[in-house]
Amino acid sequence: KAGVTQTPRYLIKTRGQQVTLSCSPISGHRSVSWYQQTPGQGLQFLFEYFSETQRNKGNFPGRFSGRQFSNSRSEMNVSTLELGDSALYLCASSGLAPDTQYFGPGTRLTVL
Amino acid sequence: DQQVKQNSPSLSVQEGRISILNCDYTNSMFDYFLWYKKYPAEGPTFLISISSIKDKNEDGRFTVFLNKSAKHLSLHIVPSQPGDSAVYFCAAGFSDGNNRLAFGKGNQVVVIP
Repeated sequence: KAGVTQTPRYLIKTRGQQVTLSCSPISGHRSVSWYQQTPGQGLQFLFEYFSETQRNKGNFPGRFSGRQFSNSRSEMNVSTLELGDSALYLCASSGLAPDTQYFGPGTRLTVL
Repeated sequence: DQQVKQNSPSLSVQEGRISILNCDYTNSMFDYFLWYKKYPAEGPTFLISISSIKDKNEDGRFTVFLNKSAKHLSLHIVPSQPGDSAVYFCAAGFSDGNNRLAFGKGNQVVVIP
């Protein structure tokens, strides 16, 4: 079974721009969660989508948004990028229980 | 507010010895706990989990202990191997199917051959 894939793997943007990251879950998984990893804060939950609906949301500003398509693929968008948005963005797909959260390799975003 | 805390950011251990990683949580509503392992440039890999109805779960060289009254869990790796060198994250969540995990900041483990 193919794992979680994320594209692109690396991205460099400048302040004020916007960015879209993509995540393809494991086949059959309907839940996709997004996390931000920074050296100082560890992994922080952004949001979770299940069956095209946002089911959970973390404490991030409205500049961070996402969506999920009917094939369970998910995209995450960050608008008006700030330097502090530089981070590794991780996507995880899962079945119903927390222990089946499988992570992708992440997208390394650098904001200059 | 950090709901899951991992102190002692780094740990060095001799190959063959035991590695013990500790984790504390503040939210008593958490009822599911997990450990993930992460290598550089890769996403976290699920290692082992434990439900709040248990106090111990074992999987090969990995054992997780849960002390609910102290809101504390630990991961034991015996024996430690060089391939175990990685960052280990403790995570907590709910068994209601909502996939929202709170993570600790991670422990860097270095196993010395």
